[in-house]
Amino acid sequence: DTEVTQTPKHLVMGMTNKKSLKCEQHMGHRAMYWYKQKAKKPPELMFVYSYEKLSINESVPSRFSPECPNSSLLNLHLHALQPEDSALYLCASSHQGIYQPQHFGDGTRLSIL
Amino acid sequence: AQSVTQLGSHVSVSEGALVLLRCNYSSSVPPYLFWYVQYPNQGLQLLLKYTTGATLVKGINGFEAEFKKSETSFHLTKPSAHMSDAAEYFCAVSGGSSGTYKYIFGTGTRLKVLA
Repeated sequence: DTEVTQTPKHLVMGMTNKKSLKCEQHMGHRAMYWYKQKAKKPPELMFVYSYEKLSINESVPSRFSPECPNSSLLNLHLHALQPEDSALYLCASSHQGIYQPQHFGDGTRLSIL
Repeated sequence: AQSVTQLGSHVSVSEGALVLLRCNYSSSVPPYLFWYVQYPNQGLQLLLKYTTGATLVKGINGFEAEFKKSETSFHLTKPSAHMSDAAEYFCAVSGGSSGTYKYIFGTGTRLKVLA
């Protein structure tokens, strides 16, 4: 069983919809991450939160908006997405910094119509 | 700057044969190195990590990797492949100076195990 829980597992949305992806961990980790993974490709880092503050934004378009309400939760708000945004979105956490091993959730498979 | 190269996007081995997945890295500072495995429709799972100390690192499921600084390599091995090892394997490097840490994945190697 994964220790990082992501919901929903699947999401289909239109380009004008607003939706949110959720991620939760209860391992006491203080760093949390969002990745985007296209088929047959490695994960691409999008955002990093360290101690609930955004520390890295890899030039992600503003239609993706992260939020870290507390040390256990991480959200990714989606608005006006494009078909090319269809992908597997992975959440991960690590004890502290980005140099440490990461624990991944099973992801949300997002399809944009 | 850090980078990682995985040689061979697809590797096939017979069940019971040696598994060797290659990873070379580039880093301007001492790197932290990781191997992850991804099964279909799942997230990534950490197999093993190298930070400092012993250069031969043992991980889960019988995998191990050796950090060779002179060769800038961190190849993953397993003495005897099992059907359940069939998956995508990613090497990752992390490092950088304060404020510029990066976590970079290689392009992945898909391991196929033949009966």
